[in-house]
Amino acid sequence: GAGVSQSPSNKVTEKGKDVELRCDPISGHTALYWYRQSLGQGLEFLIYFQGNSAPDKSGLPSDRFSAERTGGSVSTLTIQRTQQEDSAVYLCASSYRQGSNQPQHFGDGTRLSIL
Amino acid sequence: AQTVTQSQPEMSVQEAETVTLSCTYDTSESDYYLFWYKQPPSRQMILVIRQEAYKQQNATENRFSVNFQKAAKSFSLKISDSQLGDAAMYFCAYRRYNNNDMRFGAGTRLTVKP
Repeated sequence: GAGVSQSPSNKVTEKGKDVELRCDPISGHTALYWYRQSLGQGLEFLIYFQGNSAPDKSGLPSDRFSAERTGGSVSTLTIQRTQQEDSAVYLCASSYRQGSNQPQHFGDGTRLSIL
Repeated sequence: AQTVTQSQPEMSVQEAETVTLSCTYDTSESDYYLFWYKQPPSRQMILVIRQEAYKQQNATENRFSVNFQKAAKSFSLKISDSQLGDAAMYFCAYRRYNNNDMRFGAGTRLTVKP
């Protein structure tokens, strides 16, 4: 399909390991968002990319979290030295352009479990 | 800071009946947008309906409608003629005008009984 694609769908890793989560947005969408959803909670904003502009990193919880977006398309979210509290579903969303009324299209998320 | 509160962790409704999900938010802004998203067990977030704060008319999308009370900072979702496929987590979200991040409530789990 032509929706937002995230991989892997599930990731289990040991505490202290680094993980990379991938997001492939809808073709033509210039805005890309990462969110974290802890069990039973709403979505927590992490980072936002718009075209070639500098990303809005204001939601990243610590310096162990980083993200990049290559060529204005695919994005990877990297978590270094993972901790158990990092266990959550990580959702990626894209939208056609920046705009408060533009709907965000979400991927199915990556469920990250830290042992 | 903007916060979104959904005071009903769980709701249930009989098939074909109507249910209303509550949402309140806190903001000092006058221009903003409000959204309801649905998250079925598949985890994918699906936009249900959105409302621009400058519009007085309540948004409607088929069986889904909102009751937007700007002065009260309330944004409830009404689902009419509930169907089994409506069962999901519903999240209310707020986004300030020309701002990047969206603030979500904690969600309401809706169960539809046949």
